[in-house]
Amino acid sequence: DADVTQTPRNRITKTGKRIMLECSQTKGHDRMYWYRQDPGLGLRLIYYSFDVKDINKGEISDGYSVSRQAQAKFSLSLESAIPNQTALYFCATSATGNSEKLFFGSGTQLSVL
Amino acid sequence: GESVGLHLPTLSVQEGDNSIINCAYSNSASDYFIWYKQESGKGPQFIIDIRSNMDKRQGQRVTVLLNKTVKHLSLQIAATQPGDSAVYFCAENIRYNSGGSNYKLTFGKGTLLTVNP
Repeated sequence: DADVTQTPRNRITKTGKRIMLECSQTKGHDRMYWYRQDPGLGLRLIYYSFDVKDINKGEISDGYSVSRQAQAKFSLSLESAIPNQTALYFCATSATGNSEKLFFGSGTQLSVL
Repeated sequence: GESVGLHLPTLSVQEGDNSIINCAYSNSASDYFIWYKQESGKGPQFIIDIRSNMDKRQGQRVTVLLNKTVKHLSLQIAATQPGDSAVYFCAENIRYNSGGSNYKLTFGKGTLLTVNP
């Protein structure tokens, strides 16, 4: 579903490198999220933003930062990547008033060597 | 630990059979529950939701049942098809800001449904 677009789809990097994952959406939603998915652990919330000037930490924000550049754009950065940040990362959006109904991108598979 | 969990991590059914995927939750304050489907290589997709003031909700070939007494949620898929093969996640919404828009949506670990032809 191209409504929520994540780039890149796959990335391999080395320990200590700075990495940025990008997300853009055409759904017109105010709310955007970054989740991380690990085998057997389900989806865990990293950061979320309810509008352009709003940034909130999720349950596993350590080692990550975000930037909400515009309503349609929400990027996730790993300032100094480490191997245990190897995971599948998902961006999601939702509408205000129906914020539990998330629309996910196709994911970015990140491998940190 | 997880406030949302699944009884079965994997489920294998024959094409045409009905599937039942179960989910337990522990927080009585949860007022909204959602099922998501994740196919291989894709992001999760919304299937169906139910609010805590309901016991049952039906969609196209899917039914969600909510038993608040035992804090149990289930997803029933009728006449399961190969295209239903995916990981299914339940999620609960715990509203901690009454009347506000804040929330904490918690996902379960997922159940892998495999449909055999």
